[in-house]
Amino acid sequence: EVQLVESGGGFIQPGESLRLSCAASGFSLSNYDMHWVRQAIGKGLEWVSVIGVVGDTYYSGPVKGRFTISRQNARNSLYLQMNSLRLEDTAVYYCARGMVRGVAFDFWGQGTLVTVSS
Amino acid sequence: QSALTQPPSASGSLGQSVTISCTGTSSDVGGYTYVSWYQQHPGKAPKLMIYDVSKRPSGVPDRFSGSKSGNTASLTVSGLQADDEADYYCSSYGGSNNLRVFGGGTKLTVL
Repeated sequence: EVQLVESGGGFIQPGESLRLSCAASGFSLSNYDMHWVRQAIGKGLEWVSVIGVVGDTYYSGPVKGRFTISRQNARNSLYLQMNSLRLEDTAVYYCARGMVRGVAFDFWGQGTLVTVSS
Repeated sequence: QSALTQPPSASGSLGQSVTISCTGTSSDVGGYTYVSWYQQHPGKAPKLMIYDVSKRPSGVPDRFSGSKSGNTASLTVSGLQADDEADYYCSSYGGSNNLRVFGGGTKLTVL
């Protein structure tokens, strides 16, 4: 059974850093594009970042230069290093698997809440 | 403001059909056959319902269907059931500068 479990969220002050983790099971993370998607409370979904099978990385405009996506295949885990956090980064962060035969997110974790507040 | 435009709400009676629209531009919805739809119940993670405009993942009932015309994609839910009441989000590939874009979401109410 495919499972994605995020962790690392919490309460943090503006300007500080946080690293999110996503542990995958039931499949080999190295064979898939992996994404981070966030959702502010009561708001819509917002794509954040992707790491491709060959390690290529892409970011949305609001996080480019501040966030870094990475993965550790040996641990079957995905990460999101978030630096210089801002109030507007407050959201539930989901990791999501990219489809192989299709362009969509076919499995999602349950999310981890990041609250940036002074 | 979301990149793709969805109506904030939609409703239909049990057993009836409802269609939710998702409007983008020629740089996203209109330029690719890569529109997907997600269902999200309160407090839960999104669930993939439709991908590549009109394909259904295994396990999704055929009451859910997708289509696209020009820059507008649509999700139709037929034979509405109580459990269909949820938020629905569309997403599209947005090209090399904006890899993935989402709509603002539509709250579907089953009357």
